[in-house]
Amino acid sequence: GQQLNQSPQSMFIQEGEDVSMNCTSSSIFNTWLWYKQDPGEGPVLLIALYKAGELTSNGRLTAQFGITRKDSFLNISASIPSDVGIYFCAGQSSNFGNEKLTFGTGTRLTIIP
Amino acid sequence: NAGVTQTPKFQVLKTGQSMTLQCAQDMNHEYMSWYRQDPGMGLRLIHYSVGAGITDQGEVPNGYNVSRSTTEDFPLRLLSAAPSQTSVYFCASSYSPYGGLGNEQFFGPGTRLTVL
Repeated sequence: GQQLNQSPQSMFIQEGEDVSMNCTSSSIFNTWLWYKQDPGEGPVLLIALYKAGELTSNGRLTAQFGITRKDSFLNISASIPSDVGIYFCAGQSSNFGNEKLTFGTGTRLTIIP
Repeated sequence: NAGVTQTPKFQVLKTGQSMTLQCAQDMNHEYMSWYRQDPGMGLRLIHYSVGAGITDQGEVPNGYNVSRSTTEDFPLRLLSAAPSQTSVYFCASSYSPYGGLGNEQFFGPGTRLTVL
């Protein structure tokens, strides 16, 4: 099956720092999604990307759909305590019969006081 | 809208017991799916449904059964629980199963299952 490599696995940063994480795939996706999961909760959609090269922002978050369609990037600027959590990328093919989401293994973000 | 709801939130089972995890959505979404989340493995698809009366297997379907008699509900049944099924289970729904606008999946809060 499709594989999504997400890196880094974990990050320890200080409040105010910028954060970057990425996902790479062994195959092409037509949609990239970025989710955040708080402890004890389900993933919540942050940003959705639908076109190669697309750059989309949601407040301090910016995500990009790689031009090869095999990767995506998420940046968080000026991190704050509520950014703590696990960030997941997910890719989806839009071909009929292959609509399932493939998830990355997550990046755990911790903010050091 | 309540979104996607799941019950129970926590459950402890003994090996061999059966149970049903409930999932409901009130967004009139056609596509619903069940995932399990294990440490270091992200979310893995168990079963999914593209509409009432239609279900299909995901990546890890063994030991689980689903049915979709209505658009709103998509229960997951554990036939004979095993310790390997200890996990956090998430239900998700979306308007469309296909890539593109409107296909974003919304997740429920999860069910934490322990099998002893």
